[in-house]
Amino acid sequence: DTGVSQDPRHKITKRGQNVTFRCDPISEHNRLYWYRQTLGQGPEFLTYFQNEAQLEKSRLLSDRFSAERPKGSFSTLEIQRTEQGDSAMYLCASSLVTAGNTEAFFGQGTRLTVV
Amino acid sequence: GEDVEQSLFLSVREGDSSVINCTYTDSSSTYLYWYKQEPGAGLQLLTYIFSNMDMKQDQRLTVLLNKKDKHLSLRIADTQTGDSAIYFCADVPLDTGRRALTFGSGTRLQVQP
Repeated sequence: DTGVSQDPRHKITKRGQNVTFRCDPISEHNRLYWYRQTLGQGPEFLTYFQNEAQLEKSRLLSDRFSAERPKGSFSTLEIQRTEQGDSAMYLCASSLVTAGNTEAFFGQGTRLTVV
Repeated sequence: GEDVEQSLFLSVREGDSSVINCTYTDSSSTYLYWYKQEPGAGLQLLTYIFSNMDMKQDQRLTVLLNKKDKHLSLRIADTQTGDSAIYFCADVPLDTGRRALTFGSGTRLQVQP
């Protein structure tokens, strides 16, 4: 399977714990995006990378959230001191941006439940 | 900021056509996209249209773009029960400096047999 893969698919954690999610993009894609989706809403942009550089972070990305893409391949999203409001689906996408077309392909997501 | 608006719900009978509408505010969008999401799954790219086009057809899907009114629609011909899902329109609002997709809140399509 050469699509975007995310791990784990589901995560249940206690409030206050740290969690880390991983995303493996499509191999030749230069951009990688993280989104958060809550029930009944569209995906909300969190951050994106062009190769290994983090180029934009949303206001939604509080200082408890950090994302990395150390070698321009896979990426990790860490949430420290989780809160119940962090419960959501975390989606990763990747794209090969050509001539302005940001055709992004999504992974299946990691569903986080904070109890 | 950029807004992408969609109606929340659409119900059609199997075999009918479905039309899902979307409005956006950023006039700098170069491409506009339609994604489909089935329950518990990620988003699947259905189709996209370049902003200098009025229409794009791809099998049962027809995308119409009215750039003057900033209105985008997705028509699904001969709708099947397998088309039941949430459909999102998205753009890249270049005027805001954003280089990532901005999504609407989605339209839930229910196809009745």
